[in-house]
Amino acid sequence: AQTVTQSQPEMSVQEAETVTLSCTYDTSENNYYLFWYKQPPSRQMILVIRQEAYKQQNATENRFSVNFQKAAKSFSLKISDSQLGDTAMYFCAFMKQLLYQGAQKLVFGQGTRLTINP
Amino acid sequence: DAGVTQSPTHLIKTRGQQVTLRCSPKSGHDTVSWYQQALGQGPQFIFQYYEEEERQRGNFPDRFSGHQFPNYSSELNVNALLLGDSALYLCASSPEGARQFFGPGTRLTVL
Repeated sequence: AQTVTQSQPEMSVQEAETVTLSCTYDTSENNYYLFWYKQPPSRQMILVIRQEAYKQQNATENRFSVNFQKAAKSFSLKISDSQLGDTAMYFCAFMKQLLYQGAQKLVFGQGTRLTINP
Repeated sequence: DAGVTQSPTHLIKTRGQQVTLRCSPKSGHDTVSWYQQALGQGPQFIFQYYEEEERQRGNFPDRFSGHQFPNYSSELNVNALLLGDSALYLCASSPEGARQFFGPGTRLTVL
């Protein structure tokens, strides 16, 4: 079974600062995806960024980037130039990659509550 | 193009009752997954439907059941409600591929 661990229950930074959220996972699979989801108070789960395990290059989406260390089973999220709208719960998630079998279940971590202060 | 929709938004039930939650997937998506998110926790996978059949199931009792209709919409049914069933229930739809799109959730409170 896969497990995902987020060791930082809460984090708080000032607007415009850079913040890094940590995530580790455990799996015996070789092919998988990793995700960061954002859940603001509105409750809508929003995909922030996705990484395919077979890709060595770290994914980036505008101000969001990841540091994917496959051997260490580590997947951290860096938010640059943080904005007030980044305030939310952030969840790290794992999904096995099975060819021709469509989307698999997501396994989530416990979440990190991020607050951006003005 | 409407995203994933869920109804109702909020629901209050008493112990022992039964509840049905509904989900309409994003247009063109044929797979629907359901998750339970207890307060302050990450979502937990309940089950997934594809082509009107349950394709995967998480560690949830048989009190949790579901259905998918020919138009890909889905229902989650919970029988004999317990206080511990109080949670946010999230529906996610996906086309073939890894990305899942989430709905806004249904907040269920069991008294």
